[in-house]
Amino acid sequence: KAGVTQTPRYLIKTRGQQVTLSCSPISGHRSVSWYQQTPGQGLQFLFEYFSETQRNKGNFPGRFSGRQFSNSRSEMNVSTLELGDSALYLCASSLGPGSKETQYFGPGTRLLVL
Amino acid sequence: DQQVKQNSPSLSVQEGRISILNCDYTNSMFDYFLWYKKYPAEGPTFLISISSIKDKNEDGRFTVFLNKSAKHLSLHIVPSQPGDSAVYLCAASDANAGKSTFGDGTTLTVKP
Repeated sequence: KAGVTQTPRYLIKTRGQQVTLSCSPISGHRSVSWYQQTPGQGLQFLFEYFSETQRNKGNFPGRFSGRQFSNSRSEMNVSTLELGDSALYLCASSLGPGSKETQYFGPGTRLLVL
Repeated sequence: DQQVKQNSPSLSVQEGRISILNCDYTNSMFDYFLWYKKYPAEGPTFLISISSIKDKNEDGRFTVFLNKSAKHLSLHIVPSQPGDSAVYLCAASDANAGKSTFGDGTTLTVKP
């Protein structure tokens, strides 16, 4: 099976712009979670989607949003980018929702905000 | 308030010896614990997990120990190999939250 894929792998934006990142889960996986990783903060949970519904949301401002499509693919959007949004954004998929499902991570999208 | 803590940012061991990576948590609702391995510029890779109903889980060279009373878990790698050099992330979750909370990671270096 193909792994989790994320596009694009690298992105450079300027402050104030908005960005959309894409995640394709492993075939058959219906749950997708997004994480932000920064050097000082480690992995921070953004949100989790299952069956096109957001199940959980982390402690991030409303500028961060996401959605999931009927084929389980997910996108996350960050509007009005700030310098502090520069990070590695990781997507993880699992068969189903919940804490005991093993998550499989994609390679991430490296976002640089100038 | 960081609920999952890996207090050692780095660990260096000799090839063939045992590596012990530690993780502490504060949330007593956590009932499932995982270890991930991460290389630079890549996503974490699942390594091993343990449910709170167990105190030990073993998979080849990797063993995870859970001490619920101390809210502490550890990952033992025996014998350590140079290819084990990576960042190791501890994660914990509870059934209600449905998400994993990660520690900051410990960078393991295994010297030949």
